Amino acid sequence: EAGVAQSPRYKIIEKRQSVAFWCNPISGHATLYWYQQILGQGPKLLIQFQNNGVVDDSQLPKDRFSAERLKGVDSTLKIQPAKLEDSAVYLCASSLGQYTGELFFGEGSRLTVL
Amino acid sequence: AQSVSQHNHHVILSEAASLELGCNYSYGGTVNLFWYVQYPGQHLQLLLKYFSGDPLVKGIKGFEAEFIKSKFSFNLRKPSVQWSDTAEYFCAVTLSGNTGKLIFGQGTTLQVKP
Repeated sequence: EAGVAQSPRYKIIEKRQSVAFWCNPISGHATLYWYQQILGQGPKLLIQFQNNGVVDDSQLPKDRFSAERLKGVDSTLKIQPAKLEDSAVYLCASSLGQYTGELFFGEGSRLTVL
Repeated sequence: AQSVSQHNHHVILSEAASLELGCNYSYGGTVNLFWYVQYPGQHLQLLLKYFSGDPLVKGIKGFEAEFIKSKFSFNLRKPSVQWSDTAEYFCAVTLSGNTGKLIFGQGTTLQVKP
């Protein structure tokens, strides 16, 4: 079974530039998550989708971050404009349902903002 | 706000030593509890979970965790660690009746010396 796919794996940008990350979840998984993991910290939820609807985006900095999940499958997370403090690993995860707690993670996209 | 605390940030053990990693959460209601592990160069994966029933749960690779409700704790244990257990370990919780959002602790890095 294919896992969660993410791209790009690494990205280096200057502050105030924009960046986009892509995620393809495990087939059949209705719930998709984007987490931000800053070095030395645990993952922090940015946004959670159930199919193509947003369940929780309370910690998403909406002035600069946006995410969409068209057709309830793939998802894109965008940052515009980026700040230095956005340097982190962006993890995409998926699960069969909203309440299982069993998330399947991708390998992450490491962002460095200079 | 709900939070998860892991007391040990970095643990170094010799092979065959016993392991206990602490995890406490701050939430007065019903919770579901998880331990995730990230081996070097790999993605986060589920180690074990507790939803209800026997508070002593067993996971993969000989790990177990005990839920002590009165102490708001869910400590991870292994009687005898191996070099291959070197990894980062994350405790996480979901809140019953919530969106299914998984809240992570800051993680504990375990280094096992051969």
